[in-house]
Amino acid sequence: KNEVEQSPQNLTAQEGEFITINCSYSVGISALHWLQQHPGGGIVSLFMLSSGKKKHGRLIATINIQEKHSSLHITASHPRDSAVYICAARSNTGNQFYFGTGTSLTVIP
Amino acid sequence: KAGVTQTPRYLIKTRGQQVTLSCSPISGHRSVSWYQQTPGQGLQFLFEYFSETQRNKGNFPGRFSGRQFSNSRSEMNVSTLELGDSALYLCASSFGLRQVYEQYFGPGTRLTVT
Repeated sequence: KNEVEQSPQNLTAQEGEFITINCSYSVGISALHWLQQHPGGGIVSLFMLSSGKKKHGRLIATINIQEKHSSLHITASHPRDSAVYICAARSNTGNQFYFGTGTSLTVIP
Repeated sequence: KAGVTQTPRYLIKTRGQQVTLSCSPISGHRSVSWYQQTPGQGLQFLFEYFSETQRNKGNFPGRFSGRQFSNSRSEMNVSTLELGDSALYLCASSFGLRQVYEQYFGPGTRLTVT
């Protein structure tokens, strides 16, 4: 059983669409991270959150601690948003990271 | 500030050999974490170092080891390489161990074991 589950695995959207990626986790966490990985491997940390909601430009991340669920939203999606988005939970016991399998997003012009 | 750097970027080794990968964190960052990424297993946490001490360890065999130097630079070593060790190895640095600190990833070292 994976400690972190993401859905969907693959997502294709038309430019301008609103996109939601979901993440559920089963471990107690101190923080939940959303990462973006472009072809070639480079990873960028988008959000780190432990409660509530954060917003950076067109990206919004929310977390519900009671339900152990987080969502990443992209408003007005653009082809440059095409990437793999990975959810990572930082355990509050042992402090290690558990990763989701990633959501591969393709935004078509 | 310069970002996290990893060397080498690409490496080809033969089964049974050993390999050492290097990670230089962002200046001022004292925590370095290592991750393995494979198509089958995705991203997996290897270990985390802070102030030259291993603070956390993932579920990897003892063939995987690491260390951190007084200037916060870190190395990881894999001995007796297996085909399954072929992966992208990423390191990330942060200012400290506390969860409030953001992690910054390096570009990775792509290791191929033949």
